Amino acid sequence: AQSVTQLDSQVPVFEEAPVELRCNYSSSVSVYLFWYVQYPNQGLQLLLKYLSGSTLVKGINGFEAEFNKSQTSFHLRKPSVHISDTAEYFCAVSKAGGYQKVTFGIGTKLQVIP
Amino acid sequence: EAQVTQNPRYLITVTGKKLTVTCSQNMNHEYMSWYRQDPGLGLRQIYYSMNVEVTDKGDVPEGYKVSRKEKRNFPLILESPSPNQTSLYFCASSLGGSNTDTQYFGPGTRLTVL
Repeated sequence: AQSVTQLDSQVPVFEEAPVELRCNYSSSVSVYLFWYVQYPNQGLQLLLKYLSGSTLVKGINGFEAEFNKSQTSFHLRKPSVHISDTAEYFCAVSKAGGYQKVTFGIGTKLQVIP
Repeated sequence: EAQVTQNPRYLITVTGKKLTVTCSQNMNHEYMSWYRQDPGLGLRQIYYSMNVEVTDKGDVPEGYKVSRKEKRNFPLILESPSPNQTSLYFCASSLGGSNTDTQYFGPGTRLTVL
């Protein structure tokens, strides 16, 4: 079975500063990795996903994440955050090549301070 | 507009009073799923459906029922709600059952069981 750990429950950051949201996973098989964003009072929206190939994945809204197999990590980064990035971010993992069975982390709340 | 809709968005009910939360998608997706979101626990899958008349349990199915009589609809039924089912519920759909397919989430239903 797969599991994912989001190390920070809340991350405050000033506007225009860089941010990194950390995610580590555990699995005995190859995995797919995802980051979702949940804006206040909305459902989740896919930010980006790693399936295979390049370990640096670019997503929407200027976010990117890097798959690091040796460290079993998939940290999310943005070089300069905006107030509109205030949201909760979920890392998720799934067995590669499997069906739609995704395990979500507990979420990290990103608070962008003006 | 392609979307997943849920109704109601907010519901307060009492223990034991049967309720149904509806979910509908207009994208002709085969796969649909229900999740509950609880603080500190992230999203957990309740039930999923690979296609019409094909449903299966997720990680936390106890106390819930589902049906998939039409491709577009996937209602969640609580026959005898209890306070521990107070939660935020999300319906999601994807084109197919492969975990390479992007899941699209509804806006959520906040349920309170007194």
